[in-house]
Amino acid sequence: QKEVEQNSGPLSVPEGAIASLNCTYSDRVSQSFFWYRQYSGKSPELIMSIYSNGDKEDGRFTAQLNKASQYVSLLIRDSQPSDSATYLCAVNKFTGGFKTIFGAGTRLFVKA
Amino acid sequence: GAGVSQSPRYKVAKRGQDVALRCDPISGHVSLFWYQQALGQGPEFLTYFQNEAQLDKSGLPSDRFFAERPEGSVSTLKIQRTQQEDSAVYLCASSWDRDATNEKLFFGSGTQLSVL
Repeated sequence: QKEVEQNSGPLSVPEGAIASLNCTYSDRVSQSFFWYRQYSGKSPELIMSIYSNGDKEDGRFTAQLNKASQYVSLLIRDSQPSDSATYLCAVNKFTGGFKTIFGAGTRLFVKA
Repeated sequence: GAGVSQSPRYKVAKRGQDVALRCDPISGHVSLFWYQQALGQGPEFLTYFQNEAQLDKSGLPSDRFFAERPEGSVSTLKIQRTQQEDSAVYLCASSWDRDATNEKLFFGSGTQLSVL
């Protein structure tokens, strides 16, 4: 079992719709969770971080965390074609310091 | 510099050749990470440093892979006797402080390695 699991997609949504991306993780003691966006041929960039159970909103993005279920999600409201990218779920794991473990990513296509 | 700098941007190697990939982190960043990203996959952790100390190298695929950060700034990832399966993008990332669990990573542009 991978430490961070994501559906690889592709997930296709029409412009203006809500895109829902999901992630599960295996290490119960993980405390920090991240969503990175990666455009084709580019490096990952952080778009959201979440540390407590519940929802965290930032503009069109909402991250949701449920530690009991070991589940993290990202909602993108009013999806735009420019949101088309791979979304990487990431979790910090302590091994003498904190290292970041990534999932395989979910490819999102937003159709105009 | 303003961001994490990696060189070369592209590297083509013949099978069996040794390669060295360089990462120059953001000035003052304590922690430095190396990841390997195969096409269509997420970044896979290779190793990380806190200053010059290599705290975790559990992700290095074999003893052909070696990383160093002798002065706690620039890091080099060396791959000896390259194989075709080593073809991937090698990403370097840095952050201020790994003792803080909420620290985010700043990535370089990566080195795309192709082994023929």
